[in-house]
Amino acid sequence: EPEVTQTPSHQVTQMGQEVILRCVPISNHLYFYWYRQILGQKVEFLVSFYNNEISEKSEIFDDQFSVERPDGSNFTLKIRSTKLEDSAMYFCASMGQWNTEAFFGQGTRLTVV
Amino acid sequence: AQRVTQPEKLLSVFKGAPVELKCNYSYSGSPELFWYVQYSRQRLQLLLRHISRESIKGFTADLNKGETSFHLKKPFAQEEDSAMYYCALGDTGGFKTIFGAGTRLFVKA
Repeated sequence: EPEVTQTPSHQVTQMGQEVILRCVPISNHLYFYWYRQILGQKVEFLVSFYNNEISEKSEIFDDQFSVERPDGSNFTLKIRSTKLEDSAMYFCASMGQWNTEAFFGQGTRLTVV
Repeated sequence: AQRVTQPEKLLSVFKGAPVELKCNYSYSGSPELFWYVQYSRQRLQLLLRHISRESIKGFTADLNKGETSFHLKKPFAQEEDSAMYYCALGDTGGFKTIFGAGTRLFVKA
């Protein structure tokens, strides 16, 4: 069964460093998402991507964040200068058709020290 | 504003007892509502969506537009139902799904 894969599973980085979180969505899917979950809190929407551009983003997704789909298979989330409060589990998801089931990756745990 | 509220952080029931996980939403249009589940050490996965009107693993959820609710129910809980359950609202543009805070269901033997 196809699934969304994320790498790495755990990333530790120093405050102020750039990180790139990688995701390989399901191959024929059209909608791509990043969510994050701070420990003990709810899953929060960050950004959605469709047709090679950002469709919607939350207030969390400020200028420090960017997304790319560089080669038609990967979908990356970059945080330019990490802060302690960026420590969270980051989930990638993809969706085949509009407003159907979102398939989630296993997540990347980002720890900023 | 779009909002999903799950009032219970933790719900603990005995095996065989009925379960109801509450979800209320706030949305101006016609909502698409989902329940996602996350079992221990597994990824978030769709349990059911209101439009399909299915019963999955014995769970059902009925959309009540008057009460703006989408409660998840199961008549007889099983130990393997222990997990984190998230109610979610999809906007009509399909560009984001908003999640509630989640309810941890613990089914005791």
